[in-house]
Amino acid sequence: EAQVTQNPRYLITVTGKKLTVTCSQNMNHEYMSWYRQDPGLGLRQIYYSMNVEVTDKGDVPEGYKVSRKEKRNFPLILESPSPNQTSLYFCASSLWGDNSPLHFGNGTRLTVT
Amino acid sequence: AQSVSQHNHHVILSEAASLELGCNYSYGGTVNLFWYVQYPGQHLQLLLKYFSGDPLVKGIKGFEAEFIKSKFSFNLRKPSVQWSDTAEYFCAVGGGYQKVTFGTGTKLQVIP
Repeated sequence: EAQVTQNPRYLITVTGKKLTVTCSQNMNHEYMSWYRQDPGLGLRQIYYSMNVEVTDKGDVPEGYKVSRKEKRNFPLILESPSPNQTSLYFCASSLWGDNSPLHFGNGTRLTVT
Repeated sequence: AQSVSQHNHHVILSEAASLELGCNYSYGGTVNLFWYVQYPGQHLQLLLKYFSGDPLVKGIKGFEAEFIKSKFSFNLRKPSVQWSDTAEYFCAVGGGYQKVTFGTGTKLQVIP
């Protein structure tokens, strides 16, 4: 089954404790992206990647890191999480091309205390 | 920079009522337009998309949207909503280099 898999689904952590949210897709998509969803703000792009070893900042990259060492994986790293990073995070992927729709993972609900 | 405005934040309808959700965008180039739906507790799924051709686009579950270039609009419509349409709806515009910008979303509540 074609899918984008995120782990974990739920994560509660404390300020400053490094964490990684994994994202993997099995559709051989070139493009991958991370979004955060906050009430009243919709989805905001954190980072995206157009292919292996090619990443770029989205609209809200501060406090986040990503890497794209393999085509299928695109982990999101929070080196020192803070409470304002409490949010619902979605990974998405698509084929290369402006009219290719995004395929989303099931989301990771992160709480930073 | 591209942007998307969704004017209705929360819409409440009775079953069988007609639905129209507004979406306006700004982008200087050729746009690709999308509507995504997020059912409670789930991830976003594509409802429909427009990138060229017939400006009236039909999607899944009886939804359709009309691209009106002169108004920079891409409104979502459904003639008769069902309780199962209760969800949050996001309009998105895709510009160059895969940059996709989402609106803030419209929560639709359908009352049986």
